[in-house]
Amino acid sequence: DVKVTQSSRYLVKRTGEKVFLECVQDMDHENMFWYRQDPGLGLRLIYFSYDVKMKEKGDIPEGYSVSREKKERFSLILESASTNQTSMYLCASSFGGAQNIQYFGAGTRLSVL
Amino acid sequence: SQQGEEDPQALSIQEGENATMNCSYKTSINNLQWYRQNSGRGLVHLILIRSNEREKHSGRLRVTLDTSKKSSSLLITASRAADTASYFCASVWAGTALIFGKGTTLSVSS
Repeated sequence: DVKVTQSSRYLVKRTGEKVFLECVQDMDHENMFWYRQDPGLGLRLIYFSYDVKMKEKGDIPEGYSVSREKKERFSLILESASTNQTSMYLCASSFGGAQNIQYFGAGTRLSVL
Repeated sequence: SQQGEEDPQALSIQEGENATMNCSYKTSINNLQWYRQNSGRGLVHLILIRSNEREKHSGRLRVTLDTSKKSSSLLITASRAADTASYFCASVWAGTALIFGKGTTLSVSS
């Protein structure tokens, strides 16, 4: 079974802190994705990556950056956390092309106070 | 935004009834996918229908696709309390990534 692991289920941070959300997949998938999910807005794509050291902006990249130094790991970075970044963050991975099935982690619920 | 839209936003039914939810999307597609999310968890893939297919079945799930109307529907037959979850459709955005709709929240009461 594909496993996508997000390092924390719940995280509480202060405004202005630098926050790292980590995601690891064990299926040698080329593609990895970060989404945020908010009530009434559904899932919105933040960043994605098709290969090591590659990154592409999604729908809402402002205030975020990403890092993919190894194929299995994709990190989301909040350079200076703000209260409007309080949200559920979901990581996913997939093989090959954009249309392929995505496998999701359990999510990280981040609260920025 | 290129997000698709599910309809209705929320649906409440009794066990044993059928649940139908609809999805409209904005892009041309190779396929359309449906995912399920239990409360507070990640999404799980349910079913994929290709653009040249009109209907697909998987267990109690039936998906239809109308590419001329850019719409799809998901039917869950004989619903159970365990089907309570949010359901999302997903299509390809800009040829580069999947984009998800806002979801339909299904509540099945016993």
